[in-house]
Amino acid sequence: DAKTTQPTSMDCAEGRAANLPCNHSTISGNEYVYWYRQIHSQGPQYIIHGLKNNETNEMASLIITEDRKSSTLILPHATLRDTAVYYCIVKAGTASKLTFGTGTRLQVTL
Amino acid sequence: GAVVSQHPSRVICKSGTSVKIECRSLDFQATTMFWYRQFPKQSLMLMATSNEGSKATYEQGVEKDKFLINHASLTLSTLTVTSAHPEDSSFYICSARKPADQETQYFGPGTRLLVL
Repeated sequence: DAKTTQPTSMDCAEGRAANLPCNHSTISGNEYVYWYRQIHSQGPQYIIHGLKNNETNEMASLIITEDRKSSTLILPHATLRDTAVYYCIVKAGTASKLTFGTGTRLQVTL
Repeated sequence: GAVVSQHPSRVICKSGTSVKIECRSLDFQATTMFWYRQFPKQSLMLMATSNEGSKATYEQGVEKDKFLINHASLTLSTLTVTSAHPEDSSFYICSARKPADQETQYFGPGTRLLVL
């Protein structure tokens, strides 16, 4: 599975959009981009995933560049409860496992 | 929904004893479950993949005789830490996949193990 690079930490003011970048320059054609988050002392939570088209659900939007070498997770109106570590993971198909990197620690502040 | 539970949520045990952690998919059947371990300030590390009705597949460096995994039903997988030692103290997290949604893993809340 392709490796991802994320900033170690980011801050965001409550009510503002949080834009979390992820680089995955070695992504293969059959690999999806997944985002999970982990609130302190809890299990990870699935957020969203996509292949090449932009995706949106009730939690977030995922913007994938045309060359698929990077993506951005957007939380449109961050709240304090969105403070967590956000993991960007690329993996192929249904059989392969999730490999967690170090993620981005997002701190939402008042 | 896709709810995964773990029991217990935290456990303290003496060195040398065995501890069993349960992972249940509450509202769906899971043919595959995964067990992860997370040390403080570190990321999740996959320990093993648990398949219903067959032997688990362990990741490199994970001792299968120390971390016994049983996936006897489509809604339950257990991880037994045998002869636990203080270095086994960690946050153990399971996840499960729905048969109809093989792309997404749903995680349990985790079990914090402290071995004294």
